[in-house]
Amino acid sequence: DTGVSQDPRHKITKRGQNVTFRCDPISEHNRLYWYRQTLGQGPEFLTYFQNEAQLEKSRLLSDRFSAERPKGSFSTLEIQRTEQGDSAMYLCASTRSGTTGNEQFFGPGTRLTVL
Amino acid sequence: RKEVEQDPGPFNVPEGATVAFNCTYSNSASQSFFWYRQDCRKEPKLLMSVYSSGNEDGRFTAQLNRASQYISLLIRDSKLSDSATYLCPGESANQGGKLIFGQGTELSVKP
Repeated sequence: DTGVSQDPRHKITKRGQNVTFRCDPISEHNRLYWYRQTLGQGPEFLTYFQNEAQLEKSRLLSDRFSAERPKGSFSTLEIQRTEQGDSAMYLCASTRSGTTGNEQFFGPGTRLTVL
Repeated sequence: RKEVEQDPGPFNVPEGATVAFNCTYSNSASQSFFWYRQDCRKEPKLLMSVYSSGNEDGRFTAQLNRASQYISLLIRDSKLSDSATYLCPGESANQGGKLIFGQGTELSVKP
């Protein structure tokens, strides 16, 4: 499968625990995006990387959230001291900059439930 | 005002019907727009890109009206499998290319 992959697909955790999600983009894509989606809403932008550089972070990304893309390939999103309000689907998308239109392709998402 | 607004629906239509959705956007600097479909509890999947005035792909036609700041999606001869939520993000005007989504429009096609 050459699409975007995410791991785990589901995560249930207790409030206060730390969680980490992984995203593997399409191999030739240099841009990687993280979004969050709650029920009945469209995805909301969190942050994005061009190669290994994190170039923009949303105000939604509190200091409990951190993202990395150390070698410009896969990325991780960590949430520290999880809260019930963090429960959502976390989506990763990738694209190749410089191509017409910046078409982004999404992974299957990680569904987080904080108890 | 939200950057992208969509009629949340749901649109309930019979098989074979023609249905149209509209999106309005407030950021006139956005260059590119897209239609994605999202099935329940799945990821958004790219349906069409809309760069200039419009696109057609089989039963699906997308139109962009920059002067009025809206895009539309027309689905002809709707199928049961078209049932999904349709999203119309615009690309942010800054260099990063992040997508700005509305809440989506739910379509339910009935036999």
